[in-house]
Amino acid sequence: GQNIDQPTEMTATEGAIVQINCTYQTSGFNGLFWYQQHAGEAPTFLSYNVLDGLEEKGRFSSFLSRSKGYSYLLLKELQMKDSASYLCAVKAEGQNFVFGPGTRLSVLP
Amino acid sequence: ETGVTQTPRHLVMGMTNKKSLKCEQHLGHNAMYWYKQSAKKPLELMFVYSLEERVENNSVPSRFSPECPNSSHLFLHLHTLQPEDSALYLCASSPGLAVRGTQYFGPGTRLTVL
Repeated sequence: GQNIDQPTEMTATEGAIVQINCTYQTSGFNGLFWYQQHAGEAPTFLSYNVLDGLEEKGRFSSFLSRSKGYSYLLLKELQMKDSASYLCAVKAEGQNFVFGPGTRLSVLP
Repeated sequence: ETGVTQTPRHLVMGMTNKKSLKCEQHLGHNAMYWYKQSAKKPLELMFVYSLEERVENNSVPSRFSPECPNSSHLFLHLHTLQPEDSALYLCASSPGLAVRGTQYFGPGTRLTVL
């Protein structure tokens, strides 16, 4: 079966750093994606990992360990506009995307 | 971001109505997807099309009927829906099933079934 786990909710303070974890068990692995989704809007692409290690893109970084079935999204210098849901997704067997339940992040002033 | 468009953005329908959702992508992609997003549940993949051929149907009830007339357009035909079908329906496209690349999502259609 396919299973992706993420914390349901997280809270952090403006200017701080937050790490959102994702663990996965899927049939096949062809990459892991992170998306940001503001309430009532479509998910937008943040990052992609297919090899182990850290990918950095501005204030956002994503890490992957394929042997552990684990990834995290690191958000630095948090801003109020970062309040959103963050979706972890794996491109699994058959090239289909399997999504986690999403982590709702609230950034407080 | 106007790469993937969806119409209508909001739809209210009765259980006996027939309606269609439309999706159009302007990215030159070869794969298109329909997802259902219900409150507090993960995105659920409904259908996948690659080069206009359906390649995935995740046990979706027959009251949902997809159509892909060409690689730029995707429809979801709805008939005799149930109230539990109320959700956000998202369309997405990607370069191709076996091609490295992410999915790009449309803004979604918020469907309410009365």
